[in-house]
Amino acid sequence: ETGVTQTPRHLVMGMTNKKSLKCEQHLGHNAMYWYKQSAKKPLELMFVYNFKEQTENNSVPSRFSPECPNSSHLFLHLHTLQPEDSALYLCASSRRQGAQGNTIYFGEGSWLTVV
Amino acid sequence: AQSVTQLGSHVSVSEGALVLLRCNYSSSVPPYLFWYVQYPNQGLQLLLKYTSAATLVKGINGFEAEFKKSETSSHLTKPSAHMSDAAEYFCAVSDASGTSYGKLTFGQGTILTVHP
Repeated sequence: ETGVTQTPRHLVMGMTNKKSLKCEQHLGHNAMYWYKQSAKKPLELMFVYNFKEQTENNSVPSRFSPECPNSSHLFLHLHTLQPEDSALYLCASSRRQGAQGNTIYFGEGSWLTVV
Repeated sequence: AQSVTQLGSHVSVSEGALVLLRCNYSSSVPPYLFWYVQYPNQGLQLLLKYTSAATLVKGINGFEAEFKKSETSSHLTKPSAHMSDAAEYFCAVSDASGTSYGKLTFGQGTILTVHP
């Protein structure tokens, strides 16, 4: 139990589907993150939210749409994805973004397969 | 921008042997450095965090990391490998200056295999 919970753990979706990934943190943190982990590629930061405000979008295609209704919840809405979007999507949280020594805590990840 | 390089994408050791994983970073200012472990089908778990207060930091599961400021590198070690240590290990460095202050940059990971 890491304090960061992601659902669903596995998702298979067609290219025309709309689905969402959900993340909840129970650590009292104010920053939340989405990372993408693909086979044979380094971990890629996608989005950062600090106190519910998006502070970083790392050139992510618009078919990925994040939502952060409060500091404890983060969603990633998925629409018209491509097969190359199949990956492990990791949610993470930390006390706040931009602090030196900021420790990031990860969830278990959501395995996404686009068919 | 910070760059982090982990030496060796795969490391293989025998059970009971020394584990040694290496990480180099580019920052000229001593940063905060983290080692994470990812077991199969799981997320990343924090192994240890280095904050420049000491040159050697003890983490979970018997791992420890030595921080070599002059070489801008970190070595993650465990004296005796166990089968349960088989996982992927990530080094991450927090930027200590500029517009990316506090941002974590990850290395590409090292897969550790432990043979009986």
